[in-house]
Amino acid sequence: AQSVTQPDIHITVSEGASLELRCNYSYGATPYLFWYVQSPGQGLQLLLKYFSGDTLVQGIKGFEAEFKRSQSSFNLRKPSVHWSDAAEYFCAVGETGYSTLTFGKGTMLLVSP
Amino acid sequence: GAGVSQTPSNKVTEKGKYVELRCDPISGHTALYWYRQSLGQGPEFLIYFQGTGAADDSGLPNDRFFAVRPEGSVSTLKIQRTERGDSAVYLCASSVGLAGGLSTDTQYFGPGTRLTVL
Repeated sequence: AQSVTQPDIHITVSEGASLELRCNYSYGATPYLFWYVQSPGQGLQLLLKYFSGDTLVQGIKGFEAEFKRSQSSFNLRKPSVHWSDAAEYFCAVGETGYSTLTFGKGTMLLVSP
Repeated sequence: GAGVSQTPSNKVTEKGKYVELRCDPISGHTALYWYRQSLGQGPEFLIYFQGTGAADDSGLPNDRFFAVRPEGSVSTLKIQRTERGDSAVYLCASSVGLAGGLSTDTQYFGPGTRLTVL
């Protein structure tokens, strides 16, 4: 069975600093990988996704993620964090030809002034 | 256009009662998903509909949980004899429902229904 690990429960970053959120997955074949963001009282919003091809994926709001097969990782990055980025971030994996997603437990991002 | 909507936004009920949670997907989306998000956890898959039929209900925890989508649009998640452990945020998502390789289909999530069982 596939699984997703987000090792950091909370991360605090100063506004303007760079950000990297970690995600490791366990899946036998090439997975489909996603990052979602959830703000309080809001639904999950897709930031970016990887299916195949270029391993560096660009998303919305200035986020990017890199798929590294050798490390089974799909870390999310942003060069300069804004206060509005404070939210919970979820990494998710989908199987080839299968309809549902398996989510990690999430990382709560706090942005300090 | 309108996104996925869910009603009610909050539901408080007593142990043993029956509840219904409603999901209104994005117009034209044939695929609909239910997930449950417990405190401090990521969403966990419950059931997936393609059109009117449940294509995968392997995530339903037990037979107290049931979901329907009679006309291929609105879906209702039904929980009988609620227990305190059912307290969670129930999320609904919809997607276009592309044939083949459905994992590539972007899922759009609603704001969720927060269920509290006293």
